[in-house]
Order: sequence, then C-alpha cells, then structure tokens
Amino acid sequence: GAVVSQHPSRVICKSGTSVKIECRSLDFQATTMFWYRQFPKKSLMLMATSNEGSKATYEQGVEKDKFLINHASLTLSTLTVTSAHPEDSSFYICSAIHAGTGQKTQYFGPGTRLLVL
Amino acid sequence: GESVGLHLPTLSVQEGDNSIINCAYSNSASDYFIWYKQESGKGPQFIIDIRSNMDKRQGQRVTVLLNKTVKHLSLQIAATQPGDSAVYFCAERANQGGKLIFGQGTELSVKP
Repeated sequence: GAVVSQHPSRVICKSGTSVKIECRSLDFQATTMFWYRQFPKKSLMLMATSNEGSKATYEQGVEKDKFLINHASLTLSTLTVTSAHPEDSSFYICSAIHAGTGQKTQYFGPGTRLLVL
Repeated sequence: GESVGLHLPTLSVQEGDNSIINCAYSNSASDYFIWYKQESGKGPQFIIDIRSNMDKRQGQRVTVLLNKTVKHLSLQIAATQPGDSAVYFCAERANQGGKLIFGQGTELSVKP
C-alpha cells in the first residue's frame, strides 16, 4: 500500500513552454501533498505544500506564478512549470501524507525528470 | 537557520559488513525523524522512522538511533548488501503533519 505515482516520468520541452506534472496517491487519500525539486548530487528542496481544496503554501524563494500547484482532489495534485527555462531543468518529486498512519508518514513518488532545451 | 546535516558525504563498505550513516540536526523542536533511501533516478523510499520519545528503533536489518542530547541520528545497516547501494537521507519534522527538512545525503557504496 501507500503508493504514489507521477506522470510523466520524464519530459523534454522547449524553452518558453509550460509543463504539467501529475502526482497521484493510488491507494490512499492525501489531504496534503508536497512538491520538491532535486538537482544532481543534491538533497531534496521543498518547493511547496499542497492542500486539497485550498491554495498551496510556497517556500521562500519559490515563485508561485511560475510553479502553479493545484490540488483538486484527495488523490491528485499537479505542478505546472510555466514558461520553462533551462535553469528549471531538474528532478521534481512529490510526496503525499498517508493520513491513516499515526505519524502522517510521507510517501514519495518516483520523480519526474524535466529537461528544458 | 534550521538544518539537518550529515557527517559523511560518501561511505564505502565491504559486502557483509555493517554500515553506519550519521546525521546531525539542529532543531530541538523536531519530534519525528525518518531515514530514506534513494536509488539513482528514483524517488526516496521510506526505510525507518523514530519519534522523539524513543532512542532506538529496529527494523529488518536496520536500526535507527536517536540521541537528543547531542541532536544526532544514525542509521545502522546490518550485513550490508550490494542492493543497499544508494544515497541515504535523514529528514526531520518539526510538527504534526508538517514539512520535512532533509539532510544533504550520504552515498553508500557496497563493494562485493
């Protein structure tokens, strides 16, 4: 149980275009999901906290108008990278809190590799 | 600011040996700690967790030790196998349902 999926697994796009990444909790409901980005050989950096039915909370330094987050249901959150540029190339990972566990464990998706040309 | 750091960025061990990966944290308000394993090109995989009211917790081949006095966390892997090769991250959480702060990671390499 507690499986989180992401789609697509990798995407290549041209500079200036927008890319949408989906994060789904497959066998549990997640009122809260998190979005991270990770550069090679680096740790995960939290971008934003996504709460179902409300606006996302962004970390300091993360542009909310560039990284649009929508959490429309208890099993789906989307991250849209708008007007992508080469510096947005990164590994984007989502996680979902399994509310059924006592400690609200975060389970991570497999990540999405974004390459902006 | 708040941070979680690791003492060793890389660790190389012989297959069959025990591995110890260390982590220091700075937020005394953190109440929950987790170790994740991340293989290349994949998302982090939950290994084991521990609450702040405990000092030791054991899983299958893994043990997490928590020393709140010196704000230190460690992950012990018994009889390390080639499949254990990955980057290991510790993470701390300051409150219920709150965000996680990740350490920099330790790359574990297991030599056959």
